[in-house]
Amino acid sequence: GAVVSQHPSRVICKSGTSVKIECRSLDFQATTMFWYRQFPKQSLMLMATSNEGSKATYEQGVEKDKFLINHASLTLSTLTVTSAHPEDSSFYICSAPNPTRATGELFFGEGSRLTVL
Amino acid sequence: GNSVTQMEGPVTLSEEAFLTINCTYTATGYPSLFWYVQYPGEGLQLLLKATKADDKGSNKGFEATYRKETTSFHLEKGSVQVSDSAVYFCALRGSGNTGKLIFGQGTTLQVKP
Repeated sequence: GAVVSQHPSRVICKSGTSVKIECRSLDFQATTMFWYRQFPKQSLMLMATSNEGSKATYEQGVEKDKFLINHASLTLSTLTVTSAHPEDSSFYICSAPNPTRATGELFFGEGSRLTVL
Repeated sequence: GNSVTQMEGPVTLSEEAFLTINCTYTATGYPSLFWYVQYPGEGLQLLLKATKADDKGSNKGFEATYRKETTSFHLEKGSVQVSDSAVYFCALRGSGNTGKLIFGQGTTLQVKP
């Protein structure tokens, strides 16, 4: 079964509104989570690293004021797309490291498809 | 910076055919290499990995060997099944061990009966 859960799986919103996506680690704690964005027929682009108890680390070119990340607890990270526009429509995926860190594996959520009208 | 390049898809094969999906990388130091698979409607899941040169990762009949001399990590399977139809992503984790993965663009595999 899934060990990382995202919600909602699909969301449609009007331009100018804000949307929050939740990412939860199930049955394990994650001090770090990663948020990716996937464009159609393209790779996953790392947006930011979410750190529990401190600010997120954003990748170059990602607007921190646009994509607000909050790591509220050891099992929950949220991504809020603020003042969404049609170009923000995408598939957003979160991940958390396998707690057995030696493997280097990431567990991925099922993804959240955002459509901005 | 680190990067991963995969062969473009889609790849369409008949059942029991041999599969190769090419993956090359650019990285400093000694990265770890991964193949992830995304089945329709599901999240990404780890297929196999290799953490050092000449390591061979294997799972579910798939194999990939970490070739430092050619900076490659090609995915192979001797006999594909319809159930292998999915998107395959090659990825690397830099030697700094920050945990974040850099992905290739993904290759769609479609296996026909």
